[in-house]
Amino acid sequence: RKEVEQDPGPFNVPEGATVAFNCTYSNSASQSFFWYRQDCRKEPKLLMSVYSSGNEDGRFTAQLNRASQYISLLIRDSKLSDSATYLCVVNLSGGSYIPTFGRGTSLIVHP
Amino acid sequence: EAQVTQNPRYLITVTGKKLTVTCSQNMNHEYMSWYRQDPGLGLRQIYYSMNVEVTDKGDVPEGYKVSRKEKRNFPLILESPSPNQTSLYFCASSLGLAGGNEQFFGPGTRLTVL
Repeated sequence: RKEVEQDPGPFNVPEGATVAFNCTYSNSASQSFFWYRQDCRKEPKLLMSVYSSGNEDGRFTAQLNRASQYISLLIRDSKLSDSATYLCVVNLSGGSYIPTFGRGTSLIVHP
Repeated sequence: EAQVTQNPRYLITVTGKKLTVTCSQNMNHEYMSWYRQDPGLGLRQIYYSMNVEVTDKGDVPEGYKVSRKEKRNFPLILESPSPNQTSLYFCASSLGLAGGNEQFFGPGTRLTVL
């Protein structure tokens, strides 16, 4: 089983829709969690960190469920510019520092 | 402007011809790393460095070398490239070792080994 799993999609949604992605992780010792956004052929960029209490940034909400070992990203009122691949990243604490990336979920927002 | 730069951005080479991809950051970050990204496999870490003269293997280090002689630079060396090293490579840096720090990525180097 892969350490970090994401549904590759693509998720094809109309403008204005609400869409949610999940990312599951296998290592219960994982300590920090992030969502990155990657546009086609570009570098990944941090979208938001995921805190235990959940966090919101405008139309984006990220949540962590430690008991079930998954994180989620909710995008409300989707815009055409939200079309991208969303990468889930999970880090272990201490010791070796090898962030584990999910393979990404592709989102296509159409008019 | 705070950034991570990589050179070259595109490179086509032949099997066995040694090459170096440079990476430099101007944010005084301690932590730097190299990733490769392949279709269907996502980003995989090759090597990372926690500080000057401190490097360690990531998930896929075979066929690669790195060095960290200065804090700002972290070159990736392919001593004898092979076609299976054809990939998109990203360098990244972050403030420190702690896992909670954001990683800043360079623009990527697209390498083709014939």
